[in-house]
Amino acid sequence: KAGVTQTPRYLIKTRGQQVTLSCSPISGHRSVSWYQQTPGQGLQFLFEYFSETQRNKGNFPGRFSGRQFSNSRSEMNVSTLELGDSALYLCASRTGGGQETQYFGPGTRLLVL
Amino acid sequence: AQTVTQSQPEMSVQEAETVTLSCTYDTSESDYYLFWYKQPPSRQMILVIRQEAYKQQNATENRFSVNFQKAAKSFSLKISDSQLGDAAMYFCAYEGAQKLVFGQGTRLTINP
Repeated sequence: KAGVTQTPRYLIKTRGQQVTLSCSPISGHRSVSWYQQTPGQGLQFLFEYFSETQRNKGNFPGRFSGRQFSNSRSEMNVSTLELGDSALYLCASRTGGGQETQYFGPGTRLLVL
Repeated sequence: AQTVTQSQPEMSVQEAETVTLSCTYDTSESDYYLFWYKQPPSRQMILVIRQEAYKQQNATENRFSVNFQKAAKSFSLKISDSQLGDAAMYFCAYEGAQKLVFGQGTRLTINP
């Protein structure tokens, strides 16, 4: 089975712009979660989607949003980018029924200038 | 809110030796799962081992084993016969109500 894929792998944006990141889960997985990883804050949970519905949400401003499509692929959008949004954004998928193990993608590294 | 603490920012071990990474957590939930993930320089987060809180038996996975002390809320990872490929950041993680909470990580260096 193919693993979790994320596109793009690297991205450079400027302050004030918006960005969309994409995540394709492992085939058969219906849950997708997003995490932000920074040197200062570590790994922080953004949100989880299951069957196109947001099931859980972390403590991030409304500039961070996401969605999930019927094929379980997910996108994450950040509007009005700030320098502090520079981070590695990780996506993880699991089958979705409960507290199964999450499998991570390689991440998208976002640099905001 | 649940918290996960890894008190060792860095650890080093000689190749073929054994090393133990510490993790403590705080929760009021009774049903939860604990994980150790490894993040090598490639940044890909890889599952090392998983422990269900309701299981008394400590999980093992080849050279990796845990010491799960539920009352003490402690979840340490033991790596036996350390190999150069084990060098990475190791993250302890807790999941209760469908939200994964990570510790700050321990950077493990393997000395040849």
